[in-house]
Amino acid sequence: AQSVSQHNHHVILSEAASLELGCNYSYGGTVNLFWYVQYPGQHLQLLLKYFSGDPLVKGIKGFEAEFIKSKFSFNLRKPSVQWSDTAEYFCAVNEAAGNKLTFGGGTRVLVKP
Amino acid sequence: EPEVTQTPSHQVTQMGQEVILRCVPISNHLYFYWYRQILGQKVEFLVSFYNNEISEKSEIFDDQFSVERPDGSNFTLKIRSTKLEDSAMYFCASWGAKTEAFFGQGTRLTVV
Repeated sequence: AQSVSQHNHHVILSEAASLELGCNYSYGGTVNLFWYVQYPGQHLQLLLKYFSGDPLVKGIKGFEAEFIKSKFSFNLRKPSVQWSDTAEYFCAVNEAAGNKLTFGGGTRVLVKP
Repeated sequence: EPEVTQTPSHQVTQMGQEVILRCVPISNHLYFYWYRQILGQKVEFLVSFYNNEISEKSEIFDDQFSVERPDGSNFTLKIRSTKLEDSAMYFCASWGAKTEAFFGQGTRLTVV
């Protein structure tokens, strides 16, 4: 069975700092990878996704993620965070389009102004 | 942008009562899901629905749970006899071809 782990439960940083959130998954086959964000009081929104092709994926709001197949990782990065990036971030994996998503435990990010 | 809508946003119910959570998925999507998130815990898969039947369900989705797509637009989750531990945020999602899952705003269910 798939599992997804996110290394940090909470991250606190200041505006303009760089952010990197770790995500590792366990599944030997082909996977699709996603990062979702949940702003306070809002629904899950897609930040970016990887299906195939260039392993460096660019998403919305200046976020990017790199798929490293050999490490089963899909880490999320942003070079310079803003206060508005305060949210919970979820990594998710599925085996094929339309299949269920398996989520990591989430990382709460607090950006101090 | 297309969106998934859920109603109600918050439901309080007494233990043992039945609740129905409603979702309107994106109209041309084919796959529908329910997930839940107990406060402070991870988002958990409950059930997926495709071609008018359940395609996969988790261990959480026991006989107390059922899903329906009664009229081609709504997608409902019914909990027959709620327990305290059913208190959670329930998210509906839908998936189109080669895109990603779009999530609704969620229904916060509180069982008292």
